Amino acid sequence: SQTIHQWPATLVQPVGSPLSLECTVEGTSNPNLYWYRQAAGRGLQLLFYSVGIGQISSEVPQNLSASRPQDRQFILSSKKLLLSDSGFYLCAWSTRLNTEAFFGQGTRLTVV
Amino acid sequence: GQNIDQPTEMTATEGAIVQINCTYQTSGFNGLFWYQQHAGEAPTFLSYNVLDGLEEKGRFSSFLSRSKGYSYLLLKELQMKDSASYLCAVSVSGGSYIPTFGRGTSLIVHP
Repeated sequence: SQTIHQWPATLVQPVGSPLSLECTVEGTSNPNLYWYRQAAGRGLQLLFYSVGIGQISSEVPQNLSASRPQDRQFILSSKKLLLSDSGFYLCAWSTRLNTEAFFGQGTRLTVV
Repeated sequence: GQNIDQPTEMTATEGAIVQINCTYQTSGFNGLFWYQQHAGEAPTFLSYNVLDGLEEKGRFSSFLSRSKGYSYLLLKELQMKDSASYLCAVSVSGGSYIPTFGRGTSLIVHP
């Protein structure tokens, strides 16, 4: 069966510090991979998606970046965090047909 | 882009039935998802509708009308554990069929 792992679960980082969130998927190959952010009381905002190794599409301009060094690994990064980067970050995967997206457990990031 | 609209909050009584509506405006509609999200947790998949009509899964049913850009999630025999946010999401053909989410409806179930 397929599983998705996302870590860490919670993170408190000072403004200006770097960020690296990692997501890995097991039990499937060539998945579509996504990073979403959910601010308090708001919907899920798509940040990045990837359809293959090294292929990253960005949906919103920001100081975040994403990389896909391996087929089932997706990394969200920042060189310098802003207060506005606080939120609940969710990694997700789907098959090519996208009939269902499976979410990781999420990372609650607080920038102080 | 897609425009997805659903009520912000709803309340209902344990044992009752509640209908959560979702309207959308999009081009190249491919399918509509419903997810359940408990506070502080990741969303979990409930249903996926591609064709018009009603699909039933136990206590939960989802309806889609593509011509009206309308869907609803029907929850029967409400339980306290059904208190959660319910997210409507739409995917479009072309590109990568990425689901775009609405803001979600917070459902509060009272005893």
